[in-house]
Amino acid sequence: DVKVTQSSRYLVKRTGEKVFLECVQDMDHENMFWYRQDPGLGLRLIYFSYDVKMKEKGDIPEGYSVSREKKERFSLILESASTNQTSMYLCASRRPFGNTIYFGEGSWLTVV
Amino acid sequence: AQSVTQPDIHITVSEGASLELRCNYSYGATPYLFWYVQSPGQGLQLLLKYFSGDTLVQGIKGFEAEFKRSQSSFNLRKPSVHWSDAAEYFCAVVPLESGGYNKLIFGAGTRLAVHP
Repeated sequence: DVKVTQSSRYLVKRTGEKVFLECVQDMDHENMFWYRQDPGLGLRLIYFSYDVKMKEKGDIPEGYSVSREKKERFSLILESASTNQTSMYLCASRRPFGNTIYFGEGSWLTVV
Repeated sequence: AQSVTQPDIHITVSEGASLELRCNYSYGATPYLFWYVQSPGQGLQLLLKYFSGDTLVQGIKGFEAEFKRSQSSFNLRKPSVHWSDAAEYFCAVVPLESGGYNKLIFGAGTRLAVHP
C-alpha cells in the first residue's frame, strides 16, 4: 500500500523561527511535491522535485525553500516563519509521468 | 487566465439525495482531470480520474464524473449521498501544454454537508 508520511501533524512556531516540515514516501517515486492549502484557495504548489537534489519552484515559493538529499525524503523549510505562513501543508509524490499523485495527511502549522 | 473553477464553495444535501459538484477548467488542450476528497484533518484521497476515452468515469465510493469537452467541465456526481460523504471535494487538472506534466492545479474546493 502506498504511503506518504508527514511526521509532524500539528506544529506551533514563533515568528522568525526556522521551521522544517518533513515528508517521506516509501514508493521509490522520483517526483515529490509540497502544497499549501488555505480556505477558499484550494491547494497551491510551493515547490516540487524531479529527483534527488533537483527542485523547481511552484506557484508560491516565496518564503520557502526545500531539500531533497535522498529519494524518499523531501523537506520544506521556512527560513523565518511569519504569521501569513499559518496553513496546512501537504506533501505528495508520484512516479515520473505517472498520473496519480499520492498525498500525505498534512501538517498543520500555526505561526504565532 | 488558465484556471480551475469550482463555482460552489459550500453545498448541503439531505442523505439519500443525489449530488452534483461542478468543475470547469480553462486550458487550451484537454488536461488530465481528477477529483479528490478530503475528510476533516486528513490528506487527499483520489476519487477518480480522466485521461481520455469514455467520457463517463467511474470512481470509488459510488462516485462518477462526466467530461464534457464543449463545456470544459468535469462534474462529479453521486446518485444517493451518505452521511459519510460529508467532506471537502477538490477538482484538479494536469495541464498538458507548456510541459505541465508536473503540475497538478487545484480548484478552491467545495465543502459538502449532509443532513440526516
